[in-house]
Amino acid sequence: GNSVTQMEGPVTLSEEAFLTINCTYTATGYPSLFWYVQYPGEGLQLLLKATKADDKGSNKGFEATYRKETTSFHLEKGSVQVSDSAVYFCALRGSNDYKLSFGAGTTVTVRA
Amino acid sequence: DTAVSQTPKYLVTQMGNDKSIKCEQNLGHDTMYWYKQDSKKFLKIMFSYNNKELIINETVPNRFSPKSPDKAHLNLHINSLELGDSAVYFCASNSPGARGETQYFGPGTRLLVL
Repeated sequence: GNSVTQMEGPVTLSEEAFLTINCTYTATGYPSLFWYVQYPGEGLQLLLKATKADDKGSNKGFEATYRKETTSFHLEKGSVQVSDSAVYFCALRGSNDYKLSFGAGTTVTVRA
Repeated sequence: DTAVSQTPKYLVTQMGNDKSIKCEQNLGHDTMYWYKQDSKKFLKIMFSYNNKELIINETVPNRFSPKSPDKAHLNLHINSLELGDSAVYFCASNSPGARGETQYFGPGTRLLVL
């Protein structure tokens, strides 16, 4: 079945540091890939997505590139802010699937 | 103008009780979902309805019963609540015809069983 493996946290960074959260997946066919963010006490919001190989999703300074050859979708941000403190989830939707399969989530804390 | 709403936001109850959580979406989507997030933040699909038809029913105790009276609503009823049911329950919706169609999540219902 489909699965997502995500870098374990927690991750603690200083403001303006570079953030990378690794995500790899196992899926048949051509899944769509997503990063969701969950701020404290809130629900999940879509951060970015990519639907085919070599697509790059980007939003709010975050980027991730769909790499089929390495089955990866790593999230990066060049300069984090305190407001980026949240839990980040990598997820995939299989090509014949309705549901999302999520990684375990990575808690990121950015200190001023 | 809330897109996906859930009630209640918090629910504290005793073991053995029966409770319901409600979800409504005003996005015109035809598919709705229930996910469970455990204390370690792990998210797992429970159920999904498409046009009022059950399409996903993961391995969930039969104490959990979803009901979709129409495309805009998906409720979750839980019988004989157990301590292990304590979690955050998220409702989501989308219209998954297009590849990568985004699922929109509600704010969550935080259930605590004592």
